[in-house]
Amino acid sequence: KQEVTQIPAALSVPEGENLVLNCSFTDSAIYNLQWFRQDPGKGLTSLLLIQSSQREQTSGRLNASLDKSSGRSTLYIAASQPGDSATYLCAVVYVGAAGNKLTFGGGTRVLVKP
Amino acid sequence: GAGVSQSPSNKVTEKGKDVELRCDPISGHTALYWYRQSLGQGLEFLIYFQGNSAPDKSGLPSDRFSAERTGGSVSTLTIQRTQQEDSAVYLCASTPGGLAGSTYNEQFFGPGTRLTVL
Repeated sequence: KQEVTQIPAALSVPEGENLVLNCSFTDSAIYNLQWFRQDPGKGLTSLLLIQSSQREQTSGRLNASLDKSSGRSTLYIAASQPGDSATYLCAVVYVGAAGNKLTFGGGTRVLVKP
Repeated sequence: GAGVSQSPSNKVTEKGKDVELRCDPISGHTALYWYRQSLGQGLEFLIYFQGNSAPDKSGLPSDRFSAERTGGSVSTLTIQRTQQEDSAVYLCASTPGGLAGSTYNEQFFGPGTRLTVL
């Protein structure tokens, strides 16, 4: 079964510390992987999209890596701030999925303490 | 430059009633997706529309669920005879192109509709 797993489910860090969020997927045949942020009661905000041919993507303090062969992606957030507190979701488009249907992980709930 | 919009933002209904949820995708986006986010279940795919092609309904949980997309733009998700287990946040997303593996496949999500079935 094609699944996506995120560990840990929750993470608490002091402000200024770097955040490392992990995502694993069971099938290396993917088109792309996308990281999202979700604030309580809100929709999803796309953070980074990594195509299957890419190894990483960067945007400001965010960096996401992709290792297809091992089925892993890592989202790094440098110098965390209280405003980074949210749930972070990773999702993949598996080859053979309907269009670009996303398969989501369960998310990591992040709390950055001032 | 508006994003994906959904209405209503919240819907409370009684068990057994029908509900309609609406999604307005980003203008020009050809592909539209519905997902459901339930407490303890995470986000799951429901249905996918690509242009004028027949939708992929493989994620719909029962025949009480249906969706249509008129004119290749606005979509309506209908749940008939609602049950308490239908309570969830229903999210809509759109992409510029729907071809699998297309580089134009970043999904943009709406704010969701929170459905509560009493």
